[in-house]
Amino acid sequence: EADIYQTPRYLVIGTGKKITLECSQTMGHDKMYWYQQDPGMELHLIHYSYGVNSTEKGDLSSESTVSRIRTEHFPLTLESARPSHTSQYLCASSPQGEGRRSSYNSPLHFGNGTRLTVT
Amino acid sequence: QKEVEQDPGPLSVPEGAIVSLNCTYSNSAFQYFMWYRQYSRKGPELLMYTYSSGNKEDGRFTAQVDKSSKYISLFIRDSQPSDSATYLCAMRLPNTGNQFYFGTGTSLTVIP
Repeated sequence: EADIYQTPRYLVIGTGKKITLECSQTMGHDKMYWYQQDPGMELHLIHYSYGVNSTEKGDLSSESTVSRIRTEHFPLTLESARPSHTSQYLCASSPQGEGRRSSYNSPLHFGNGTRLTVT
Repeated sequence: QKEVEQDPGPLSVPEGAIVSLNCTYSNSAFQYFMWYRQYSRKGPELLMYTYSSGNKEDGRFTAQVDKSSKYISLFIRDSQPSDSATYLCAMRLPNTGNQFYFGTGTSLTVIP
């Protein structure tokens, strides 16, 4: 089982609040990701990181930001939460394979998610 | 057109049945294929990871990839109530760090 941790598991917060969703992994994986998951929908990539000080936006337009100051830590921040941000947020990481090119072809390992409700 | 199509179900089977879960895809460049199991209020858990065409077996689970038909399957033999979950298929392009494509998931219930 992958050692990737997300906190909090559940969060209910009012509109306009600033929130940070925490994600940590203890496996030394270089690649980390944030996905949004809604019922009946495919996972959508919000942000990803290939390593320390490397972050990119994903396919889904998002008002969130991320940082990657340490390999194991990849927090996601919403400066001003809105009801449209209500969703399940999944953090994932991907291991370094053998050899430089094979690291691109490893599967994702997910945390248990943060269920965010903005009222 | 979605990159990956997956029947959402729900699928309900009696304990001991053989379950077949399927996904189709449109991009012939996909080479890596994954199946995840997701229990309620949990994150997706990697079940199977396969490369290119063929079969891969792990215990009661068999993953099958047919690249000519752009079709992947997950078979569960001797299904158990603990297999009740949502199953997500996923696939990725080779040598890209972030290009994962997911199905919407199939909800499975195994009735004791």
